[in-house]
Amino acid sequence: QQQVKQSPQSLIVQKGGISIINCAYENTAFDYFPWYQQFPGKGPALLIAIRPDVSEKKEGRFTISFNKSAKQFSLHIMDSQPGDSATYFCAEGSGATNKLIFGTGTLLAVQP
Amino acid sequence: EAQVTQNPRYLITVTGKKLTVTCSQNMNHEYMSWYRQDPGLGLRQIYYSMNVEATDKGDVPEGYKVSRKEKRNFPLILESPSPNQTSLYFCASSKGPDEKLFFGSGTQLSVL
Repeated sequence: QQQVKQSPQSLIVQKGGISIINCAYENTAFDYFPWYQQFPGKGPALLIAIRPDVSEKKEGRFTISFNKSAKQFSLHIMDSQPGDSATYFCAEGSGATNKLIFGTGTLLAVQP
Repeated sequence: EAQVTQNPRYLITVTGKKLTVTCSQNMNHEYMSWYRQDPGLGLRQIYYSMNVEATDKGDVPEGYKVSRKEKRNFPLILESPSPNQTSLYFCASSKGPDEKLFFGSGTQLSVL
């Protein structure tokens, strides 16, 4: 079964700190790398996404860093807030393969 | 309001009793997909559909069936449920596998 390798499994960060979640992929056919955020009792929702033609994308406090040569991408949450406490999933997708594969998820807890 | 609607929200059944989880989207999306979410395993794709009458297996299709007779509907069928299919199921839709995915609220299934 294909799956994106995501780490860490869980993360505790103090309010105002930086949260970093990492993902590694194997198949270079994928050209779409989104991050989804899921709150308890809800479906996942798109947070931010990147394509391999750029190395970084920033939206507010959320930044994706993409390292094509290392086949890795990461999510950085700056100035983390208790409201950011959720499960985060990275994913890899391809319009050519019609696949969207998710990572195993990271449970983030931001302590006040 | 743009949304993906899946029903039921909760379902308890017994081994071998056929069941269907419905999914409907109102965004005229071509791509629809079913995922199951299990602790430690993240979101795993069951089946996906690129358009009407075009379905394909994801990573964990065993024991499931789908159909796409209309663009808006994508039901998930368990013809003979087993306890290992106890899970949280999500339906999702998008313009394509490399576009923003909209998730339903989930169906918590318990097979006794």
